Amino acid sequence: DAGITQSPRYKITETGRQVTLMCHQTWSHSYMFWYRQDLGHGLRLIYYSAAADITDKGEVPDGYVVSRSKTENFPLTLESATRSQTSVYFCASSDLGRYQPQHFGDGTRLSIL
Amino acid sequence: GIQVEQSPPDLILQEGANSTLRCNFSDSVNNLQWFHQNPWGQLINLFYIPSGTKQNGRLSATTVATERYSLLYISSSQTTDSGVYFCAPSGTASKLTFGTGTRLQVTL
Repeated sequence: DAGITQSPRYKITETGRQVTLMCHQTWSHSYMFWYRQDLGHGLRLIYYSAAADITDKGEVPDGYVVSRSKTENFPLTLESATRSQTSVYFCASSDLGRYQPQHFGDGTRLSIL
Repeated sequence: GIQVEQSPPDLILQEGANSTLRCNFSDSVNNLQWFHQNPWGQLINLFYIPSGTKQNGRLSATTVATERYSLLYISSSQTTDSGVYFCAPSGTASKLTFGTGTRLQVTL
């Protein structure tokens, strides 16, 4: 089906472990984004990408790594997970040009023990 | 970066009532979007509205960019309108800054 999908939907891991959250979109959108959502903070931008092999930091990038070797995929890696990274993570995409809305995946709920 | 303030933070309505949600932002923008997060956590794009007025069914939005605010109107509210409404402006074409949202509960 067309759209934007995130996997896994739920993940529990331990501090210090590496974990990768996957994001895949079938629209061939140029832009892709990663946000985290925490109580009291709304959504905050972690990283974004304007095209394959082009990524840039958002508001809260520390502790995260991204890559974008293909237009349709934008994985987010926590290299050494910490409890403060327990959150709900959303991936989004939008096309290039004016008046292009962002469309979101269903989110990944990540718990770090 | 842009500062975003949404009001009210919480709102309870009886089904059929109308409401207005407000979003104030600190800088000039060329991109502003409204989202609805339903009780299951899904984020749905409602409007892309950097300026002017748009309508979609019972919902409409107005952005007055020169005065740095946007309004979301919900008419004849239904229980399915419950959830959190986010305003997200941007000074660039792509990077959005989200407000902390207005939590709406519509009761029977």
